[in-house]
Amino acid sequence: KAGVTQTPRYLIKTRGQQVTLSCSPISGHRSVSWYQQTPGQGLQFLFEYFSETQRNKGNFPGRFSGRQFSNSRSEMNVSTLELGDSALYLCASSLGVRETQYFGPGTRLLVL
Amino acid sequence: AQSVTQPDIHITVSEGASLELRCNYSYGATPYLFWYVQSPGQGLQLLLKYFSGDTLVQGIKGFEAEFKRSQSSFNLRKPSVHWSDAAEYFCAVVETGGGNKLTFGTGTQLKVEL
Repeated sequence: KAGVTQTPRYLIKTRGQQVTLSCSPISGHRSVSWYQQTPGQGLQFLFEYFSETQRNKGNFPGRFSGRQFSNSRSEMNVSTLELGDSALYLCASSLGVRETQYFGPGTRLLVL
Repeated sequence: AQSVTQPDIHITVSEGASLELRCNYSYGATPYLFWYVQSPGQGLQLLLKYFSGDTLVQGIKGFEAEFKRSQSSFNLRKPSVHWSDAAEYFCAVVETGGGNKLTFGTGTQLKVEL
């Protein structure tokens, strides 16, 4: 079974731009979660989607948004990029609630 | 709010030596606990998990962890470390009522000396 895939793997943007990251979960998984990883703040939860509905949201500004499609694929969008948004963005999928989450390789975003 | 503490930021062990990485959690109910490993530039790989039942859980790559409710701990162990185990290790807990939100510790960077 294929694992979680994330595209693109690397991205360079400038301040003020917006970016969209994509995540394809493991086949059959309906829950997709997003995390931000930075050296200073560590791994922080962004949001979780289950069956196209946002089920949980972390403490991030409204510039961070996401959605999930009927095939469980998910996208996250960051608008008006700031330097501090430079991070590794990880996506994880699972079968359901409190099930094991499997992580993708991440998208490394650099904001200049 | 629940939290996860990994007291050791860096640990260095010799190849073949035993390893124990510490993890303490703050959580009222029985937690769902996980250990993940991350190699440089990679995503997170699940090593093992504890949901319920036997408090000693076995994972991949020869790792095991023991859940001790009285000490609020979930320490990761390996009897003999290999050079390929050098990586960063994260302990995490799932909140109740929060879906699948993982709360992570700050991680322990493991260095293996040959």
